[in-house]
Amino acid sequence: TQLLEQSPQFLSIQEGENLTVYCNSSSVFSSLQWYRQEPGEGPVLLVTVVTGGEVKKLKRLTFQFGDARKDSSLHITAAQTGDTGLYLCAGERDSNYQLIWGAGTKLIIKP
Amino acid sequence: DTAVSQTPKYLVTQMGNDKSIKCEQNLGHDTMYWYKQDSKKFLKIMFSYNNKELIINETVPNRFSPKSPDKAHLNLHINSLELGDSAVYFCASSPRAMPDTQYFGPGTRLTVL
Repeated sequence: TQLLEQSPQFLSIQEGENLTVYCNSSSVFSSLQWYRQEPGEGPVLLVTVVTGGEVKKLKRLTFQFGDARKDSSLHITAAQTGDTGLYLCAGERDSNYQLIWGAGTKLIIKP
Repeated sequence: DTAVSQTPKYLVTQMGNDKSIKCEQNLGHDTMYWYKQDSKKFLKIMFSYNNKELIINETVPNRFSPKSPDKAHLNLHINSLELGDSAVYFCASSPRAMPDTQYFGPGTRLTVL
């Protein structure tokens, strides 16, 4: 059983469209990190959200941490081909000091 | 000035062989990790060392043995390779022990034939 469920698993859209991907759990997390992994590379941190209800913006990317700190979303406005990649969320739980990883959303932006 | 580097990038070998993957970080971080990413892209922690001391050792066959000669290096030796070991192996580092931000290397794609 995955502690962190990411959805959708796969998303393919046209350049210029908007999209949202989700990272959900029944467990509470102290913080949640979002990474992007491009083909042939390792994941790279995009953002860390810590406070319930927190919203962080990174240019066209908007990250939100749920009020109950059990879920998070990533919204991309006017997607570009450079946004293509695997988006991974990883959560920190209070009960231990490991990161719990989701299985990722594979995003393809078509020109 | 690569932050986390791994060698080799690709490794193709026969079942039963022994192989090693090397990792170095020049970020001055205290903690290093080995992850395995399978064909479904699921990232799974294998080991973590903090200042050369093993702090995370997940359920991994004992054919896998990490070695940290100093806090900037963490190598992974695999004995008696099996088909199921085929995956991409990522080294990562963080300033402090997990769950601090992970800085990943470019990965080593291991194919066991």
